[in-house]
Amino acid sequence: AQSVTQLDSQVPVFEEAPVELRCNYSSSVSVYLFWYVQYPNQGLQLLLKYLSGSTLVESINGFEAEFNKSQTSFHLRKPSVHISDTAEYFCAVRPKTSYDKVIFGPGTSLSVIP
Amino acid sequence: SAVISQKPSRDICQRGTSLTIQCQVDSQVTMMFWYRQQPGQSLTLIATANQGSEATYESGFVIDKFPISRPNLTFSTLTVSNMSPEDSSIYLCSYNRQNTEAFFGQGTRLTVV
Repeated sequence: AQSVTQLDSQVPVFEEAPVELRCNYSSSVSVYLFWYVQYPNQGLQLLLKYLSGSTLVESINGFEAEFNKSQTSFHLRKPSVHISDTAEYFCAVRPKTSYDKVIFGPGTSLSVIP
Repeated sequence: SAVISQKPSRDICQRGTSLTIQCQVDSQVTMMFWYRQQPGQSLTLIATANQGSEATYESGFVIDKFPISRPNLTFSTLTVSNMSPEDSSIYLCSYNRQNTEAFFGQGTRLTVV
């Protein structure tokens, strides 16, 4: 079975400051790793994914995440946040078996303060 | 990119009634998944729907409350039966493609009054 931990339920940060949202997972099999974002009153959007290859993955809006197999982590970072980054962020894993379900972490609420 | 069409997008229902949510996928998929997101919470899997067989429910969810249909490889429905205010949530359908991410519908925001 798989599980996902997001240690920080809420992260307030000032605009233009850096931020790191932490994610750790547990799994007995190889997994794909994802970060999803949910803006207020909107649906779920894929932000980043790690499937294979380079352990550092980047999004088009400046976020990046690094897969660390030894620490079973997939932390999300951004060097300078904007007001528009205020949202709920979910870390998720899925076993590499084709059709297994996605397991979500509890989420981190990022609030960017002007 | 993959497209999932889910409807209704939102509804307000009276307690004791039932609501059926529809999910249409733009390509044939083996398994579809139904999730619930309660207010302020993360997503929890309700059940996995495989075409041609009964859905597999997660612990805490039962078929009588959340019957699911999967008549073909591109369509599924989830019914929320005998609703109470505690059923007020966002319900999402999803499917996976091999070696890539899961795709989600936009969700159905249900309010039970």
